[in-house]
Amino acid sequence: ETGVTQSPTHLIKTRGQQVTLRCSSQSGHNTVSWYQQALGQGPQFIFQYYREEENGRGNFPPRFSGLQFPNYSSELNVNALELDDSALYLCASSLGGTANTEAFFGQGTRLTVV
Amino acid sequence: GIQVEQSPPDLILQEGANSTLRCNFSDSVNNLQWFHQNPWGQLINLFYIPSGTKQNGRLSATTVATERYSLLYISSSQTTDSGVYFCADSRGKLIFGQGTELSVKP
Repeated sequence: ETGVTQSPTHLIKTRGQQVTLRCSSQSGHNTVSWYQQALGQGPQFIFQYYREEENGRGNFPPRFSGLQFPNYSSELNVNALELDDSALYLCASSLGGTANTEAFFGQGTRLTVV
Repeated sequence: GIQVEQSPPDLILQEGANSTLRCNFSDSVNNLQWFHQNPWGQLINLFYIPSGTKQNGRLSATTVATERYSLLYISSSQTTDSGVYFCADSRGKLIFGQGTELSVKP
């Protein structure tokens, strides 16, 4: 069984640039959720993709967007990067959309915006 | 939306001590998970425990959904237990508490 993998692990970008983060879901899982974790805080829900459709969104601006592919892997895109976007971005894989099944996380991508 | 409060926010233990971490919810619990965040940031699943009690080695967890709380017990703590512990309730998305930072000293 393949676990959740994220790439890259670390990234440094300049304010105003765009970034794409990637996530491969766990084998057999069809749902990917993205979370942003600022230093010293709990993760905050960005959005969820289920069967290639956005299936819920947290309180994040439209410059945060995503995709899910037929193999259920996913991308998180952030445009017009701001300094406050510096955070750990976590991807979670689960089964069944909003069925509230157990979620498993990747190792995260640490984004620094300078 | 539901609010999740974890206590204590910080905890320092000597190796071998026992501890209890608590998670309180503003609404009845749906599907609770406990995680340990390692120093590299990865969230490691500890328990998926909507209700009842589960044990895994030195760790155990109890959720009382109707009374809106969950407890994580760590017995005979080890330095490798250090890190941040999160509880989260699943309502289509995970809603996390602010975490308990545990430091186990040798």
